[in-house]
Amino acid sequence: DTAVSQTPKYLVTQMGNDKSIKCEQNLGHDTMYWYKQDSKKFLKIMFSYNNKELIINETVPNRFSPKSPDKAHLNLHINSLELGDSAVYFCASSQAPLLAEQLYEQYFGPGTRLTVT
Amino acid sequence: AQSVTQLGSHVSVSEGALVLLRCNYSSSVPPYLFWYVQYPNQGLQLLLKYTSAATLVKGINGFEAEFKKSETSFHLTKPSAHMSDAAEYFCAVSLGTGNQFYFGTGTSLTVIP
Repeated sequence: DTAVSQTPKYLVTQMGNDKSIKCEQNLGHDTMYWYKQDSKKFLKIMFSYNNKELIINETVPNRFSPKSPDKAHLNLHINSLELGDSAVYFCASSQAPLLAEQLYEQYFGPGTRLTVT
Repeated sequence: AQSVTQLGSHVSVSEGALVLLRCNYSSSVPPYLFWYVQYPNQGLQLLLKYTSAATLVKGINGFEAEFKKSETSFHLTKPSAHMSDAAEYFCAVSLGTGNQFYFGTGTSLTVIP
């Protein structure tokens, strides 16, 4: 009964390859996110989707493309992988605020450790 | 702009001692504040959150945090550290709009037996 799941847990690949990371949540949330955590543990948001629609797109190379086939899934596709893409990628989800002052905590997946060689 | 600063990237305490992890925020409007914990090789888990209901917030595993507007702080405390508390702790701030979170750089807590 995992709330937010990601696959794969580990991904080792060579520079120049294209890879995808999948994320699924069974919490009924409308909003999903992708974060990147670097080697110094710094967490930075990459994308946010609300009900399959992109609402946050931070400064991320366009080699990264999120895809949301439905509101329970948010996949991350990365083209032409580079050494600097090595990191742990976390998917998260939350309820969608109906009002500006509402806020809901985010639930995180276990992470995908990407190593580019 | 909003951000959080966590003072001390590494904190070591003895088992049974007080845990104090510091977080200061910067926000132009009243913020929402969170503490998350990350155990090794796991995702982040919510410890507690402040959403303006009460300044002293109690969370899981005996942790609590106090929102002090005058000091723009939201420090995390636990009266008595346990070995199982060893983890990475993240403070986060959000204005609510878009539910976008901004995380601090994290504090690694080591508990010495």
